[in-house]
Amino acid sequence: AQSVTQPDIHITVSEGASLELRCNYSYGATPYLFWYVQSPGQGLQLLLKYFSGDTLVQGIKGFEAEFKRSQSSFNLRKPSVHWSDAAEYFCAVGTMEYGNKLVFGAGTILRVKS
Amino acid sequence: ETGVTQSPTHLIKTRGQQVTLRCSSQSGHNTVSWYQQALGQGPQFIFQYYREEENGRGNFPPRFSGLQFPNYSSELNVNALELDDSALYLCASSFVAGKNNEQFFGPGTRLTVL
Repeated sequence: AQSVTQPDIHITVSEGASLELRCNYSYGATPYLFWYVQSPGQGLQLLLKYFSGDTLVQGIKGFEAEFKRSQSSFNLRKPSVHWSDAAEYFCAVGTMEYGNKLVFGAGTILRVKS
Repeated sequence: ETGVTQSPTHLIKTRGQQVTLRCSSQSGHNTVSWYQQALGQGPQFIFQYYREEENGRGNFPPRFSGLQFPNYSSELNVNALELDDSALYLCASSFVAGKNNEQFFGPGTRLTVL
């Protein structure tokens, strides 16, 4: 069965510092991978996605992620964090099985200190 | 272009009652997926509808049911509410079922069961 693990429940970084959020997945075939962000009381906004091709993908708001098949990872990075990046981040794997469902990790809450 | 909308925003019900949540798809989309997000967890796939038919279901009991209408809007119905049904319910629309096209999420309906 597909699964996604986000090892860090909370992460606190200083404004201007770099950020890396970890994501490991388990999926038998070539995965489709996503990172979403959720602000309090809001729905999910797509930051970036990986379907195929270049393993380093660029997203919105200055985020990027790198797909590493050998490590079953899809870590999210940002070189310089802004206070407005404080939110909860979800990694998800898209399955090609019946229903085209997304399987999400438990999320990482990012706190930004000034 | 109108995004995904959901109603109501918040809802309070008591155990044993029934509830209907509504979702309007983004213009041009023909597929709707529903997810349940319990507090502190990532969203979990409930089911998906494509062309008014259920197109896949997650690990949820039959008291969770849905409908999709000719205009591609959708309803999620939950019968015999239990305390554990308290969660944020997210609706996501996309264009073609069976492919990993981007799913666009609505803001969600917060259901509290007392």
